[in-house]
Amino acid sequence: DSGVTQTPKHLITATGQRVTLRCSPRSGDLSVYWYQQSLDQGLQFLIQYYNGEERAKGNILERFSAQQFPDLHSELNLSSLELGDSALYFCASSASGQGTGELFFGEGSRLTVL
Amino acid sequence: GQQVMQIPQYQHVQEGEDFTTYCNSSTTLSNIQWYKQRPGGHPVFLIQLVKSGEVKKQKRLTFQFGEAKKNSSLHITATQTTDVGTYFCAPDGGYSTLTFGKGTMLLVSP
Repeated sequence: DSGVTQTPKHLITATGQRVTLRCSPRSGDLSVYWYQQSLDQGLQFLIQYYNGEERAKGNILERFSAQQFPDLHSELNLSSLELGDSALYFCASSASGQGTGELFFGEGSRLTVL
Repeated sequence: GQQVMQIPQYQHVQEGEDFTTYCNSSTTLSNIQWYKQRPGGHPVFLIQLVKSGEVKKQKRLTFQFGEAKKNSSLHITATQTTDVGTYFCAPDGGYSTLTFGKGTMLLVSP
């Protein structure tokens, strides 16, 4: 158990819909990272937050947004969903804000868009 | 983030054979991490290498960081079926992000 909690574990929805994925980091970790994993693209970095502030942005689509709340949990919002958004979405946390320490991954949220 | 090439993409070995995966970057890395993801699981941290030429061992796993800090390797001696999974390198270019390679999927037949 990594200590990182992600909900929901599975989600099936239709194209055009909007979903929210939730992540609770390990106790004490200030950094939260979101990754998208699909079969052909590996693990793609989407976005990072540190103590409520956006720290770095990767290959995140404009239809996607995220935020980190004062209690440090984070949400990833995916809107106008397309078939290609079907993937496993991982949240990871780390204690480090300067440089990157060890990442602890949650079990992921598997999104299926039909 | 840093871009790396990880090879091979896939390897199938017989139990007891050795296995090596390589991670290559065109730029100098600050450090590099390695992760393992079992089928159906999530990535789990294995190790971080920081120093030029560094070699670290974890039981049957040997990790190396190149002298120029542009490449790294993971070698598994005498593979076991429990080694099955995808091994990712994750180079850190000095920014607070971690970009993963595409991984090497290892399959071990008993």
